[in-house]
Amino acid sequence: QKEVEQDPGPLSVPEGAIVSLNCTYSNSAFQYFMWYRQYSRKGPELLMYTYSSGNKEDGRFTAQVDKSSKYISLFIRDSQPSDSATYLCAMRGPSQGAQKLVFGQGTRLTINP
Amino acid sequence: DAGITQSPRHKVTETGTPVTLRCHQTENHRYMYWYRQDPGHGLRLIHYSYGVKDTDKGEVSDGYSVSRSKTEDFLLTLESATSSQTSVYFCAISESAGGYEQYFGPGTRLTVT
Repeated sequence: QKEVEQDPGPLSVPEGAIVSLNCTYSNSAFQYFMWYRQYSRKGPELLMYTYSSGNKEDGRFTAQVDKSSKYISLFIRDSQPSDSATYLCAMRGPSQGAQKLVFGQGTRLTINP
Repeated sequence: DAGITQSPRHKVTETGTPVTLRCHQTENHRYMYWYRQDPGHGLRLIHYSYGVKDTDKGEVSDGYSVSRSKTEDFLLTLESATSSQTSVYFCAISESAGGYEQYFGPGTRLTVT
């Protein structure tokens, strides 16, 4: 079993819809949770990160962490065609000196005009 | 991709040949990483560096070596390339000891025939 599970999709929604992207994980030591966006043939770019549980909002994006369920989500409001990309979740634990992120395999998202 | 370049961007090589990929940063970040990205596996850490001449293994380090003689350069060498090393390779950098804010380069697409 992978430490981080992410549905690869593809996920296709109409423009303006609310998108929900999710990851589950098995390692209860994970404390930092990140979301990256990757356009085709480009490197991943960091969207946002959260520490421990709770919500974090940045414009149209909201990241949510539920540590009790080992489940994280990224919500995109008022989705735009420019949001079409692969979204990767990533996590790490508190170990000092080992800044190793564990990534999900990514969800491919298409926003249809 | 600001501040991070990778070279070459594309390479085709034959099985058994050595290959070196270069990552160059202008951000003066202490931490540098090499990942590979494959369908169904997401991003997997190969090696990382926490300072000049300080490196450590990641999840999939077999068949790879790294060197960092200057803050700005991190080299990944495939000692004897195999077809299973056909992949897209990404370099990432981080300023924070936590490593949760990693910034990725544009990637190198390597094909081993």
